[in-house]
Amino acid sequence: QVQLQESGPGLVKPSETLSLTCTVSGGSISRNYLNWIRQPAGKGLEWIGRIYSSGSTNYNPSLKSRVTMSVDTSKNQFSLKLSSVTAADTAVYYCARGPSYSDSSGGLFNWFDPWGQGTLVTVSS
Amino acid sequence: DIQMTQSPSTLSASVGDRVTITCRASQSISSWLAWYQQKPGKAPNLLIYKASSLESGVPSRFSGSGSGTEFTLTISSLQPDDFATYYCQQCDSSSPLTFGGGTKVEIK
Repeated sequence: QVQLQESGPGLVKPSETLSLTCTVSGGSISRNYLNWIRQPAGKGLEWIGRIYSSGSTNYNPSLKSRVTMSVDTSKNQFSLKLSSVTAADTAVYYCARGPSYSDSSGGLFNWFDPWGQGTLVTVSS
Repeated sequence: DIQMTQSPSTLSASVGDRVTITCRASQSISSWLAWYQQKPGKAPNLLIYKASSLESGVPSRFSGSGSGTEFTLTISSLQPDDFATYYCQQCDSSSPLTFGGGTKVEIK
């Protein structure tokens, strides 16, 4: 079955850029929505954004100015960059595939399955 | 943004109890709601999508209902493996995808 695995530095200095990669195994990422979600310790879930396998992106407006996502279909990977990080960006970061449904009105509906195991990123000097 | 409000935030129950968790959306999302279960130190796991569709492999004691702005997740007979935190998520991409604040199901 499809599995996702996040990788990247676990410690990032304030004002620097957080960079994570999600590697997908067990299936192609083509024709899929690919998402990043984060969860600060003891808190709820925040959707960061998604990228379609073609490269089109949608970001959460709350983070849009700092987020860049990219995809490499040849490696079956997609990536997240979050710039100018602060302690508030310390969280477990998850990647997740986004099953979707499109209706006749052009509406797009996404949920998340499966998820990677998550990786803790701490922002500290 | 569509705000999602879950209640209660914590629920104490015993094995065998019927448990109901409520999720309210700040505007109508039709049936576009998903439910997840999260255990400590683990990623969330999809239980239900489109308000009432059970994900493959999820036990039938889990069920979802509702439409518009009010939704429920019901566990018909709580099992030891079900003690966890549950999140709802609105799935309408016309707005940022958002989650409820979570409901922790604890042992009574």
